[in-house]
Amino acid sequence: DVKVTQSSRYLVKRTGEKVFLECVQDMDHENMFWYRQDPGLGLRLIYFSYDVKMKEKGDIPEGYSVSREKKERFSLILESASTNQTSMYLCASSLTSRVGQPQHFGDGTRLSIL
Amino acid sequence: GNSVTQMEGPVTLSEEAFLTINCTYTATGYPSLFWYVQYPGEGLQLLLKATKADDKGSNKGFEATYRKETTSFHLEKGSVQVSDSAVYFCALSDPDSSASKIIFGSGTRLSIRP
Repeated sequence: DVKVTQSSRYLVKRTGEKVFLECVQDMDHENMFWYRQDPGLGLRLIYFSYDVKMKEKGDIPEGYSVSREKKERFSLILESASTNQTSMYLCASSLTSRVGQPQHFGDGTRLSIL
Repeated sequence: GNSVTQMEGPVTLSEEAFLTINCTYTATGYPSLFWYVQYPGEGLQLLLKATKADDKGSNKGFEATYRKETTSFHLEKGSVQVSDSAVYFCALSDPDSSASKIIFGSGTRLSIRP
């Protein structure tokens, strides 16, 4: 089974801090994704990566950046955290870029910005 | 553009009732269709998928049939259990994108009464 591991289940940070969310997958998947999930808004794609050091903006990239230095690890960075970034963050991966590949999700990080 | 519309929740049923959660889609080309489930406090799990018209995906007693003529992928289960209480997401593979992007519906919360 694919295992996608997010480093923290719960995280509390302060406004203005630089925040790192880490995600690791163990199945040599090419693609990795970061979403945020908010009540009534469903899942919204922040950034994704289709190869090491490659990234593309999703639907809501503002205020975020990402890093993929190794194939198995994809980091989401909040450059200067703000209260409107309080949310559930979900990481996912998929095997290849072929259309129709399912994504496999981690358990999520619930981030609170105070 | 490509999109997914699913019935709004919450849906509340008694144990052993029949379940239908409606899902319709708009897409160019021939997307793959998915149902994901999110149990409380967890990430999303792939429940079932279908890759072409008239395919039926099934898992854990749930079924959905890819209907191209009605652009639908309704989720059904003949007899629900309390353990089926979760949020269910209909989704499609984005045929216009790279990196196996998936477009998610807004989710339907299902609660099953004992």
